Amino acid sequence: DTAVSQTPKYLVTQMGNDKSIKCEQNLGHDTMYWYKQDSKKFLKIMFSYNNKELIINETVPNRFSPKSPDKAHLNLHINSLELGDSAVYFCASSQETSGYNEQFFGPGTRLTVL
Amino acid sequence: LAKTTQPISMDSYEGQEVNITCSHNNIATNDYITWYQQFPSQGPRFIIQGYKTKVTNEVASLFIPADRKSSTLSLPRVSLSDTAVYYCLVGDDVRFGNEKLTFGTGTRLTIIP
Repeated sequence: DTAVSQTPKYLVTQMGNDKSIKCEQNLGHDTMYWYKQDSKKFLKIMFSYNNKELIINETVPNRFSPKSPDKAHLNLHINSLELGDSAVYFCASSQETSGYNEQFFGPGTRLTVL
Repeated sequence: LAKTTQPISMDSYEGQEVNITCSHNNIATNDYITWYQQFPSQGPRFIIQGYKTKVTNEVASLFIPADRKSSTLSLPRVSLSDTAVYYCLVGDDVRFGNEKLTFGTGTRLTIIP
């Protein structure tokens, strides 16, 4: 059983399109995250949700909108995709919000904007 | 101001001990230090975590000096399968702000046969 799963694994799309990435965790965790990893491998946090409530919104364009229908899911919707959005997006979860909680990462979604 | 600094890359031969150091001069009192390992095309995976002194598990050891301004991940007798990127994460509670949970730039470790 995969602890944190993401779909799709690969996403190729044209500029200006709208796309969504789904994430689900079956660990019973309260906190979920979205990270962006660029071509230089920098891992930057984008959003964090705790019990379905947004607690971090890093300086991310408002074209990115996370949605958490329940504690086990945190989806990422992206409007009007741009070339610079090309990256690998990782979903993660942890038991709580504290830094001593281990984060479990999904396999990543490689987004390519043409 | 970067919260953590790591060497960009390191090479080592199989069977040797590898030490990767992360600098975190501005570490706060409540911050924990966590190390993650990432293989190509996979998400990061937890290796070890500590607050102070030394922590050891079946995979690695983590050395943290008294001032906590740096930490060293030690991998004993590395093998080819240890080739990966290693990230240092310093953070407190994310509810206190995104800056409270920051990954380092990562160290690309290459093990040479």
